[in-house]
Amino acid sequence: RKEVEQDPGPFNVPEGATVAFNCTYSNSASQSFFWYRQDCRKEPKLLMSVYSSGNEDGRFTAQLNRASQYISLLIRDSKLSDSATYLCVVNIGNDMRFGAGTRLTVKP
Amino acid sequence: NAGVTQTPKFQVLKTGQSMTLQCAQDMNHNSMYWYRQDPGMGLRLIYYSASEGTTDKGEVPNGYNVSRLNKREFSLRLESAAPSQTSVYFCASRGQGAHGYTFGSGTRLTVV
Repeated sequence: RKEVEQDPGPFNVPEGATVAFNCTYSNSASQSFFWYRQDCRKEPKLLMSVYSSGNEDGRFTAQLNRASQYISLLIRDSKLSDSATYLCVVNIGNDMRFGAGTRLTVKP
Repeated sequence: NAGVTQTPKFQVLKTGQSMTLQCAQDMNHNSMYWYRQDPGMGLRLIYYSASEGTTDKGEVPNGYNVSRLNKREFSLRLESAAPSQTSVYFCASRGQGAHGYTFGSGTRLTVV
């Protein structure tokens, strides 16, 4: 079993749609959690951290359920510019473990 | 402020050749990392350096060596390249208490 698992997609949604990505992790000692965005042939960039209480940044909402070892990312009112691969990342000590990513395409 | 700079951006090697991937950061970060990214696999940690003078193996260290030359620079060496090392390599750094990595723009390596 992979340490961090994501639905690879692809998710193809129309502009304005709401889309949700899920991620599960296997190591209960995981300390912190992140969502990264990666555009085609570019480096990953931090989208947002994920806190136990849930957190929101504009159209993006991240949630963490430690009991179920589950992380989610919700994107509301999707824009064409949201098209990218979204990586779930789990931090344990000095190490970060990455999911393989969920690919999103937002269409006009 | 350049962040994390990786060189080269592209490289083609023949099997058995050696090369060094360079990485430098100007953010005064303590920790630096080398990852490889393959389709469907996500990023996998090759080696990391928690501070100047220390290096540790990650998930997939075989076939690689690293040097933390100083606080700014962390290089990755392939002594004898193999086709299985064809990948995209990312260097990253992280400051103390920071909430995530800053990545370099990547090196696309092909071994033929």
